[in-house]
Amino acid sequence: DAGVTQSPTHLIKTRGQQVTLRCSPISGHKSVSWYQQVLGQGPQFIFQYYEKEERGRGNFPDRFSARQFPNYSSELNVNALLLGDSALYLCASSFAENNQPQHFGDGTRLSIL
Amino acid sequence: AQSVSQHNHHVILSEAASLELGCNYSYGGTVNLFWYVQYPGQHLQLLLKYFSGDPLVKGIKGFEAEFIKSKFSFNLRKPSVQWSDTAEYFCAGLAGTALIFGKGTTLSVSS
Repeated sequence: DAGVTQSPTHLIKTRGQQVTLRCSPISGHKSVSWYQQVLGQGPQFIFQYYEKEERGRGNFPDRFSARQFPNYSSELNVNALLLGDSALYLCASSFAENNQPQHFGDGTRLSIL
Repeated sequence: AQSVSQHNHHVILSEAASLELGCNYSYGGTVNLFWYVQYPGQHLQLLLKYFSGDPLVKGIKGFEAEFIKSKFSFNLRKPSVQWSDTAEYFCAGLAGTALIFGKGTTLSVSS
């Protein structure tokens, strides 16, 4: 069975640019969550979407936005990139509305120059 | 604020040694706790979880954790580690539908 897939695997951007990261959940999963993992830290929650509606938002600036499509895939957008946005961005999917258990993808490594 | 803290940043053990990784949580209400593992080059995987009931939770690969409410702790244990247990271990709590992770503990097991 295919797990959570994320694209691209790696991405290099410069300050001020915009980036879009993509996530395909496990087949049948309706919930998608996004996390940011800075080097040396645990993942930090950014957003959760369930049935195309935002169900949770972490403590991130408005430069971060996301959406979920009818096929339950999701995109994370980050505008006006800062050096501090360099991180591994993880997507997790879940079948249940309570978002448990969460299955994680391999992540997208974003580097800001 | 809800938070999860892990005591050990890096643990180095020899094969067959016993393992205990500390985790403390800081939030009230319903407590749901997890341990995740990230092997080198792989994605985060769920080791075990505690939602309610028996405070001693058994997970995959011989790992277990004990929820001690009075100590706000959820320590991970394994009686005898193997070289293949080398990985990053994360304790996490559930806040609403979001996971709140600790900073992680790197476990290095030498053969």
